[in-house]
Amino acid sequence: AAGVIQSPRHLIKEKRETATLKCYPIPRHDTVYWYQQGPGQDPQFLISFYEKMQSDKGSIPDRFSAQQFSDYHSELNMSSLELGDSALYFCASSSSQTSGTDTQYFGPGTRLTVL
Amino acid sequence: QKEVEQDPGPLSVPEGAIVSLNCTYSNSAFQYFMWYRQYSRKGPELLMYTYSSGNKEDGRFTAQVDKSSKYISLFIRDSQPSDSATYLCAMSEAGGGADGLTFGKGTHLIIQP
Repeated sequence: AAGVIQSPRHLIKEKRETATLKCYPIPRHDTVYWYQQGPGQDPQFLISFYEKMQSDKGSIPDRFSAQQFSDYHSELNMSSLELGDSALYFCASSSSQTSGTDTQYFGPGTRLTVL
Repeated sequence: QKEVEQDPGPLSVPEGAIVSLNCTYSNSAFQYFMWYRQYSRKGPELLMYTYSSGNKEDGRFTAQVDKSSKYISLFIRDSQPSDSATYLCAMSEAGGGADGLTFGKGTHLIIQP
């Protein structure tokens, strides 16, 4: 079965640079979520989108922004990168058509290293 | 204090043992409860999802939710070395609202051959 696709898988940036992470949800999934997982930490929710509209917002820094496009893929834009932004960034997707709950399926993650 | 508490371990058990993993939470609005398995440097993999209180079984895995005690558990029967991973509990207040999940810190489980 098709899974969530994230690109790039690894990214190395310098401080104060910008980065763009991409997420392609499972086909027919209309909701995407972004999470940040620091070393040895649990995933922290950043932001979610449903039908291209921002739906829920977590601990996303003002330096970060995200959007969902008409084909449902999403991009997380990160500016003025700091050393503390080094982490695994996961995208998850779900379908609002699935009864019960917005069960979230995670992608393999993008490992961002800020030097 | 975090909304979701989970013992990080490591928890080491012999192959074939029954494993019990637990989380407690403080937000009484949580209604949806999930368990994810995460191998090192990989994305979390959904194992179990339950709504409100009760039990749910899927193969070797059983998830229990006790909302009155704000306590959830995951049991793994006939544990295998391939079960060695970090197990994360996660929960949300409402289904279908694109809500972000609140995770526990994860328990590192080691199954000894």
